[in-house]
Amino acid sequence: RKEVEQDPGPFNVPEGATVAFNCTYSNSASQSFFWYRQDCRKEPKLLMSVYSSGNEDGRFTAQLNRASQYISLLIRDSKLSDSATYLCVVTGGGNKLTFGTGTQLKVEL
Amino acid sequence: DTGVSQDPRHKITKRGQNVTFRCDPISEHNRLYWYRQTLGQGPEFLTYFQNEAQLEKSRLLSDRFSAERPKGSFSTLEIQRTEQGDSAMYLCASSSGTSRTGSYNEQFFGPGTRLTVL
Repeated sequence: RKEVEQDPGPFNVPEGATVAFNCTYSNSASQSFFWYRQDCRKEPKLLMSVYSSGNEDGRFTAQLNRASQYISLLIRDSKLSDSATYLCVVTGGGNKLTFGTGTQLKVEL
Repeated sequence: DTGVSQDPRHKITKRGQNVTFRCDPISEHNRLYWYRQTLGQGPEFLTYFQNEAQLEKSRLLSDRFSAERPKGSFSTLEIQRTEQGDSAMYLCASSSGTSRTGSYNEQFFGPGTRLTVL
C-alpha cells in the first residue's frame, strides 16, 4: 500500500466550477501536511499547508482529519490557470517529503 | 535568479554509462534534498544533506547511486552503469532546516534534470 494515496484523475471541470480532491495517508505518525502544485514539466511548488483547524487561501481551502488520516483540497470558482497536477504531501517531522501520485485537474472553457 | 538551479536540464545517455548531475541550492539554505520522479508518479525521496553531512538515504538509492555535498553548498548526484529504469526527472530541493519551534520549513525545488537512458 502506498504511504499517500490520491485519485490520479484527470478531473475535467468547466471554468467556475468547484472541485474537491481527497488524499489518505497510512502513517499515523505523520506530522505535517501540504498540497503542492505541479505544472506540466515543471517543478512542484508549495500551494498551502494543511491544518486540523482547516485553512483557507483565497479560492483554496484545505482540511485535515487526523482521526481518519484524510486530507482534502477544495478549489472554488476554478480558473483555466488552475489546470495542473495537485500533489498531496506528508512529512514525519524529518523534513523528508512523501508525495502522493498527484491528481490532474483540467479546467475547460 | 536566486532559486535552486540544476545542471544539466536534460541528459541523454546510453545504458552502462555514468552520469553526474549538479544542484546549487538557495545560498542560505543548509538542507539539500534529492528526489526522483517518473511519469505519472509523485516525486520519491532519495537522500538529504544537512550542510555537508548526508543524514538519510532511501532504499531506492542503490549502490550505483552516490551523492555528495563536499563543502555544504552545491551537491552532485552520480549514477554509475545507468540502466533504462533510471530514466526519470531528478529533482533537487533546499530548505533552511527545522526552525526552533520545530515547524516545517518549505522546500524549494529546482527545475530538475531529465535523464533518458537509451
